[in-house]
Amino acid sequence: GAGVSQSPRYKVAKRGQDVALRCDPISGHVSLFWYQQALGQGPEFLTYFQNEAQLDKSGLPSDRFFAERPEGSVSTLKIQRTQQEDSAVYLCASSPWGGPLSGNTIYFGEGSWLTVV
Amino acid sequence: KQEVTQIPAALSVPEGENLVLNCSFTDSAIYNLQWFRQDPGKGLTSLLLIQSSQREQTSGRLNASLDKSSGRSTLYIAASQPGDSATYLCAVRRGESGSARQLTFGSGTQLTVLP
Repeated sequence: GAGVSQSPRYKVAKRGQDVALRCDPISGHVSLFWYQQALGQGPEFLTYFQNEAQLDKSGLPSDRFFAERPEGSVSTLKIQRTQQEDSAVYLCASSPWGGPLSGNTIYFGEGSWLTVV
Repeated sequence: KQEVTQIPAALSVPEGENLVLNCSFTDSAIYNLQWFRQDPGKGLTSLLLIQSSQREQTSGRLNASLDKSSGRSTLYIAASQPGDSATYLCAVRRGESGSARQLTFGSGTQLTVLP
């Protein structure tokens, strides 16, 4: 596709349920970021991949959060034993690589809206 | 830890008015600063990007300025239109490569332009 695609767009999970959120970045983009956006707040960094390597996961709020990008393209963010405070929009973004200027261009998906009840 | 603050949190103006959105950041050691637009239920769209060595960038009716030493940026919107209604987010990037490319966002300014 032409842009970053995320699925599902909307997910309602019961507390304690595991969820998996998928991100299809723009083809060929090396860098992939996950952000969490709570209602009324700006996005907060969760984790960063360069190709298949997860170079930074310092933003993951707990060990219930896990992300992977096994083949360097599609990425999955998994949340185990969901809790109400996990309710947020999860945004994926991708960026090409090739030098500082090209790396400035970052494209966001429309997000996966997670509600934990 | 970098903190980004945006003022005001919400703003409502009549159509045609010029307006200024403010962004401040606590750590002046930034690589660049970007302004994004977010429509309800949508992702983020980049509006303007200012490198740390630059003072301002312009695109159409939008002008963004950067004063890195004081930790401030402004987004100026001229002749506002109802279609400008959205949330505007300011974000700073720490470094050039790797994980330093992550963005730190403010909480946004929700703009409503009344017809």
